[in-house]
Amino acid sequence: ILNVEQSPQSLHVQEGDSTNFTCSFPSSNFYALHWYRWETAKSPEALFVMTLNGDEKKKGRISATLNTKEGYSYLYIKGSQPEDSATYLCAFIGMNRDDKIIFGKGTRLHILP
Amino acid sequence: NAGVTQTPKFQVLKTGQSMTLQCAQDMNHEYMSWYRQDPGMGLRLIHYSVGAGITDQGEVPNGYNVSRSTTEDFPLRLLSAAPSQTSVYFCASSPRTLGAEAFFGQGTRLTVV
Repeated sequence: ILNVEQSPQSLHVQEGDSTNFTCSFPSSNFYALHWYRWETAKSPEALFVMTLNGDEKKKGRISATLNTKEGYSYLYIKGSQPEDSATYLCAFIGMNRDDKIIFGKGTRLHILP
Repeated sequence: NAGVTQTPKFQVLKTGQSMTLQCAQDMNHEYMSWYRQDPGMGLRLIHYSVGAGITDQGEVPNGYNVSRSTTEDFPLRLLSAAPSQTSVYFCASSPRTLGAEAFFGQGTRLTVV
């Protein structure tokens, strides 16, 4: 079973501060990495699909980087706002893909007013 | 555009009862999957399908059956419900394109008493 690790599990950040968290995945047989945003009582929604080593993606105040050689991705949030409170999931798809999307356990982000 | 539709949204079962969770998508996606969400465990893959007539097991398949007779529908059957199957269940679909993001249903909260 593939191991997709996210850290930290939970994070409290003051409104206006910037933050980042990590997703670690197997560096062999990499094909793609996804980041999802999951608000309470809703369904996960995709933020980024990343496939190339060195990829950097940005959507508003949220950005992500990818290092496939060492097997990690960072998600950054600049100037946190209350609406950023959510669980952020990463998901790994391998090259030997039998089409499984394997998720990490997520980082739960709480923005403090 | 309905996307991914799951029914029911809530269900209470008695131990030993069977039931089927329904999932339908109208995006002509080849890939469909079922996940369960438990506290601290993230999303764990139960079963998945890469197309009509093809299904395979994920990380936690025991106690569940699936079938994929059409592209649109991917029902999840609980054969004999157990309290350990109390969870929130999510259905997801994505195009067969390698690396494509997943689209999720709204979830089914199942309680087994």
